[in-house]
Amino acid sequence: RKEVEQDPGPFNVPEGATVAFNCTYSNSASQSFFWYRQDCRKEPKLLMSVYSSGNEDGRFTAQLNRASQYISLLIRDSKLSDSATYLCVVNPYGQNFVFGPGTRLSVLP
Amino acid sequence: DVKVTQSSRYLVKRTGEKVFLECVQDMDHENMFWYRQDPGLGLRLIYFSYDVKMKEKGDIPEGYSVSREKKERFSLILESASTNQTSMYLCASSPQGPGQPQHFGDGTRLSIL
Repeated sequence: RKEVEQDPGPFNVPEGATVAFNCTYSNSASQSFFWYRQDCRKEPKLLMSVYSSGNEDGRFTAQLNRASQYISLLIRDSKLSDSATYLCVVNPYGQNFVFGPGTRLSVLP
Repeated sequence: DVKVTQSSRYLVKRTGEKVFLECVQDMDHENMFWYRQDPGLGLRLIYFSYDVKMKEKGDIPEGYSVSREKKERFSLILESASTNQTSMYLCASSPQGPGQPQHFGDGTRLSIL
C-alpha cells in the first residue's frame, strides 16, 4: 500500500460546482497535513494546512479524520482558476514530507 | 512572502557533464530540500539539509550530491549527467519545527541529451 493515496481524477466539473477530494495515508504516526496546488509545469504552492478540528479558508474546507487516516478537501463554487492538480501531503513524526500523487481538477465554463 | 529562487528555469546539458543546480531562500529557513518530479512518479526527495554543512540522503540520492556552505544556499550536483536524470527539479525550504509547510522554488526543467 502506498503511503499516501489520492483519487487520480481527472475531475471535470462545471463552474460553480462543489467538488471534494479524498486522501488516505498509511502511517498512523503522521502529525502534520497539508494541501498544495500545482498548476501545469509550475511549482507546488501551499493551499492550506489541515488541522485536527478542520479548517476553512474562503471556498476551501479541509477535514482530517485521524481514526480513519483520511483527509479531504472541499471546494465550493468552483472557478475556472481552480483548475490544477491538488497534492495531499503528510508529515509523519520525525520524517520528511510524503507527497500524494495528486488529483487533477478541470473546471469547465 | 517566502522567496525560494532557483538559478535556471530551463537547462539543457549533455551526457557526462557535471551539472550544478542552485537554490537560494531569503527567509532564514533551517531546512532545505531537493526533489525531482516525473510524470506518474510524483515528487521524490533526493537530498535534504537541516543546517549549514549538513546533508542527508533522501529516497533517490544515487547520481547526485549536494552542498550547503551557507544557510541560504543549497546546491544540487549531478556528478556525471545521464539521460535518466532528465526531469523537473524542485527546491524547497521550511523553518525548523513540527507542522511547518515547505515553500518551493519555480523549478528547473533539466534536459540531458
